[in-house]
Order: sequence, then C-alpha cells, then structure tokens
Amino acid sequence: DAGITQSPRYKITETGRQVTLMCHQTWSHSYMFWYRQDLGHGLRLIYYSAAADITDKGEVPDGYVVSRSKTENFPLTLESATRSQTSVYFCASRDRSYGYTFGSGTRLTVV
Amino acid sequence: GESVGLHLPTLSVQEGDNSIINCAYSNSASDYFIWYKQESGKGPQFIIDIRSNMDKRQGQRVTVLLNKTVKHLSLQIAATQPGDSAVYFCAELSRGNAGNMLTFGGGTRLMVKP
Repeated sequence: DAGITQSPRYKITETGRQVTLMCHQTWSHSYMFWYRQDLGHGLRLIYYSAAADITDKGEVPDGYVVSRSKTENFPLTLESATRSQTSVYFCASRDRSYGYTFGSGTRLTVV
Repeated sequence: GESVGLHLPTLSVQEGDNSIINCAYSNSASDYFIWYKQESGKGPQFIIDIRSNMDKRQGQRVTVLLNKTVKHLSLQIAATQPGDSAVYFCAELSRGNAGNMLTFGGGTRLMVKP
C-alpha cells in the first residue's frame, strides 16, 4: 500500500537499551523527518533528511541517531534509551510542495 | 491511542455550531502556513494551507484567515461535526540555513458535543 508506515506501533524498552524505530515511505519523497510529541511541547523536530545519505539535526537531536541509506527508509535509533525519551514519535515525508505526510506514530515507553 | 496532551487549550462547541481555533506564530518572515488535524492514535493530517500573500483561503467547511500584522492565524470550521473532534495544530514554514522547515504550534483540542 502506498503511504508512510512506522513500526513498531508500541514499544516498551529498558533504560540503557538500544532501540530502533522504523519509517518507510513509498512515494520516493526526498525529505523525511522525525518528530517527537510530548505533553506541553507539541511536535519537536529530532532529525531530518533531505535525500539519501544526507541527514541533519533538528531541534532536539541529543541521544538519537539516524541513517538514510535508501530514499524510502529513515530509521531512528536511540543508542541508550533514557526515561526522558518516553514519547510518541512521528515520521513524516515531504513532496515537492511543502505538505508533510505523517505516519501513525510509535509510542515508546522507557522503563 | 496516544494521548496528544492533557494540558492543551480546549475548545468545546455544540454540534452544528461554527468553531474558531486560533494560533499565534512567531516568525514574521514565515510565508507559508498549514493547519493540521490530529485524531487520537493517529498522526497529524493536512487540512488546509495558506501563503503569506493571501489573507483568507477556503476549503470544504474550513476557512483559514491570516493576519500578518499581528502574526495571527485562525481556522474556522463551519457546522462542526462530532468527527471534527481532534487536536488542531498550526505550522509555519521558516526558511533558514537548514532549508525550509515547518515549526508547529502547541495545538488546541476541539471537543464537539452532540
């Protein structure tokens, strides 16, 4: 199916563990983004990518790593998860206009 | 589903009434704005956009108004329906060294009473 999909939908992990959130889009959009959504903060940009092999930091990049070896995939890795990274994570892609399309989100709980 | 936020500003309206959701943006140089709707357990969904050379744009049951003088954006929903219940975000496009990026407001929760 065409669209942008995130996996897993829900994840519980322990403090200190590495966890990777997946994002896949079928449109070949150049730009992809990772946001986190927390109470009182709205959507905050973690990392973005302008094309394959091109990534850059957003507003809150600390503790996260991204890669973009293929245009369609943009995984987000928490190298050593902390409780402050408990959040809902949204991936988005952008076409040549400025419209962003979001995935359904991953709810991550770090215990 | 995911809880978007328990402390969001909330607008409660009666079904069939019109709703007005407001947003103040920060960057006077922003030249493109979008309204998103986020239902419980889902990602934000595009509703309507407007460029800074316009002050009004209409869609189906929705109208966006832009007042650049006071950096204010509003979303009007006509004949509000229960399916309109969601959190609404405004976003502004800023052009900087990192390219064109959307910055999102904190959101407003719309509750429609049947």
